[in-house]
Amino acid sequence: AQSVTQPDIHITVSEGASLELRCNYSYGATPYLFWYVQSPGQGLQLLLKYFSGDTLVQGIKGFEAEFKRSQSSFNLRKPSVHWSDAAEYFCAVATSILTGGGNKLTFGTGTQLKVEL
Amino acid sequence: NAGVTQTPKFRILKIGQSMTLQCTQDMNHNYMYWYRQDPGMGLKLIYYSVGAGITDKGEVPNGYNVSRSTTEDFPLRLELAAPSQTSVYFCASIHGTVYNEQFFGPGTRLTVL
Repeated sequence: AQSVTQPDIHITVSEGASLELRCNYSYGATPYLFWYVQSPGQGLQLLLKYFSGDTLVQGIKGFEAEFKRSQSSFNLRKPSVHWSDAAEYFCAVATSILTGGGNKLTFGTGTQLKVEL
Repeated sequence: NAGVTQTPKFRILKIGQSMTLQCTQDMNHNYMYWYRQDPGMGLKLIYYSVGAGITDKGEVPNGYNVSRSTTEDFPLRLELAAPSQTSVYFCASIHGTVYNEQFFGPGTRLTVL
């Protein structure tokens, strides 16, 4: 069965510092991977996704993620964090539901990011 | 487009009461989902639907029921509320390939006392 592990429950960084959030997945086939962000009291917003091709994926708000098959990882990075990046971040892996499309997402438990000014 | 909308935003129930959480999407998406989010647990899939009239259980379906009579609406029913159902509930939809991301509603915060 598929699973997603986000080993860091909380991370605190200073504004302007770099950021890396870790994500490890377990899935037997080609993984389709997502990073979502959840601001307080809000729903989830997609940051970026990986399906195939270039293993370095660019997303919104200056985020990027690198898919490493050998390490079963899909870590999220940002070179310089802004105070507005404080939120909870979720990694997810998708599996197909039926032939022809659709997916089910398995989420990690999330990483809460705090940004110090 | 309004995207995925959910009502109510907040609700307090007493043990044993019932209620329906509403979810509507205006993107003509065929797939719709209900998740619950508990602190430190991520999101867990309750039920999903692949189109009008077709629903299936997710990871944590006990205590919930769903129906899908139209493409737009996917209500979640709690028949006998229990404290264990205190959670934040999210509805999501997707057009329907494994490559597409799910679009999420803003959530309903439910407390059962």
